[in-house]
Amino acid sequence: KAGVTQTPRYLIKTRGQQVTLSCSPISGHRSVSWYQQTPGQGLQFLFEYFSETQRNKGNFPGRFSGRQFSNSRSEMNVSTLELGDSALYLCASSWVTGAYNEQFFGPGTRLTVL
Amino acid sequence: DAKTTQPTSMDCAEGRAANLPCNHSTISGNEYVYWYRQIHSQGPQYIIHGLKNNETNEMASLIITEDRKSSTLILPHATLRDTAVYYCIVRVPYSGGGADGLTFGKGTHLIIQP
Repeated sequence: KAGVTQTPRYLIKTRGQQVTLSCSPISGHRSVSWYQQTPGQGLQFLFEYFSETQRNKGNFPGRFSGRQFSNSRSEMNVSTLELGDSALYLCASSWVTGAYNEQFFGPGTRLTVL
Repeated sequence: DAKTTQPTSMDCAEGRAANLPCNHSTISGNEYVYWYRQIHSQGPQYIIHGLKNNETNEMASLIITEDRKSSTLILPHATLRDTAVYYCIVRVPYSGGGADGLTFGKGTHLIIQP
């Protein structure tokens, strides 16, 4: 079974631009969660989608948004990029929401904002 | 969620058992203990979880004290590939509704020495 895939793996943007990251969950998984990882703040929860609906959201500004498609693939968007948005963005999928023992993470997208 | 405390770093000789402690003195009755690890440049990987009984799987063993205020993750025969940051997380698993994600602390950087 293929794992969680994220595209692109690396991205360089400049301040003020926007970016869209993609996540394809494991086949059959309907829950996709997004996390941001930085050296200073560690791993922080952004939001979770289940059956195309955002179920919960972490403490991030409205510049961070996401969506999920009917095939469970998910995208997250960051508008008006700031230097502090430079981070590793990870997505994780599970077959059901909140199944923390069966949450599989992708390799991440490394975003650098210049 | 209950707060967890882990040592910042630990060393272990290859082939020996690695014992990683975690304190969670404010854990509540319905919270589980989850362990994840993150190998450099990869997404976190689920290892094991438990409520109050000791658990074992193909990767590790989890020993939870009787008062549930602390636990120990045991990697029975550590290899160089076990070098990673290990996270101890205390959460209530959700069976439905919005999941607000895992809260990752700083974790323990385990270094396996050859």
